[in-house]
Amino acid sequence: SQQGEEDPQALSIQEGENATMNCSYKTSINNLQWYRQNSGRGLVHLILIRSNEREKHSGRLRVTLDTSKKSSSLLITASRAADTASYFCATENTGNQFYFGTGTSLTVIP
Amino acid sequence: DVKVTQSSRYLVKRTGEKVFLECVQDMDHENMFWYRQDPGLGLRLIYFSYDVKMKEKGDIPEGYSVSREKKERFSLILESASTNQTSMYLCASRVHSGGRAEAFFGQGTRLTVV
Repeated sequence: SQQGEEDPQALSIQEGENATMNCSYKTSINNLQWYRQNSGRGLVHLILIRSNEREKHSGRLRVTLDTSKKSSSLLITASRAADTASYFCATENTGNQFYFGTGTSLTVIP
Repeated sequence: DVKVTQSSRYLVKRTGEKVFLECVQDMDHENMFWYRQDPGLGLRLIYFSYDVKMKEKGDIPEGYSVSREKKERFSLILESASTNQTSMYLCASRVHSGGRAEAFFGQGTRLTVV
């Protein structure tokens, strides 16, 4: 399987705190992306980082990528109750296939 | 806005039935994907199509087949449904290459096989 893994599986924090989730993958990649899924719905794209980039920001999101360790992290700063969702990393390999991780379930307590 | 539409939100089928899950996208995307999502297992790739009539197996193709006769439509077929195929099925599409490689998802089909 080329599926990645995320850590932790579940995370519960207070509103205003930062949330960090990690992703590990197995193959060489073109890029890595993070997606969000609200309960029972489809996934929505958050941010993309290319294999030659090390860090990227978008609003309250910060993504890092370490290709030597085959890992990435997503930081959500100043979390809000509306950030409660599941978060998935996805890797695009050189064959243009898209593999997702197992996901992190984030709960932000108001 | 890109729209990816799956034909049903909820589906109940009997064991042994042939099941068709349909996915249509309206943005002329080359790539289309079928995933199944199960608790604790994340999204697992079943099949991938990079163009019309082209398909590649993902991690878990057993028990499934696909059809891509037109660019906008990608169908997932369960030849003989079994209870272990009860799951949430998600379809996605995206452009083949270039700077914008994000995937757009349908709302999902929750299939129950009884």
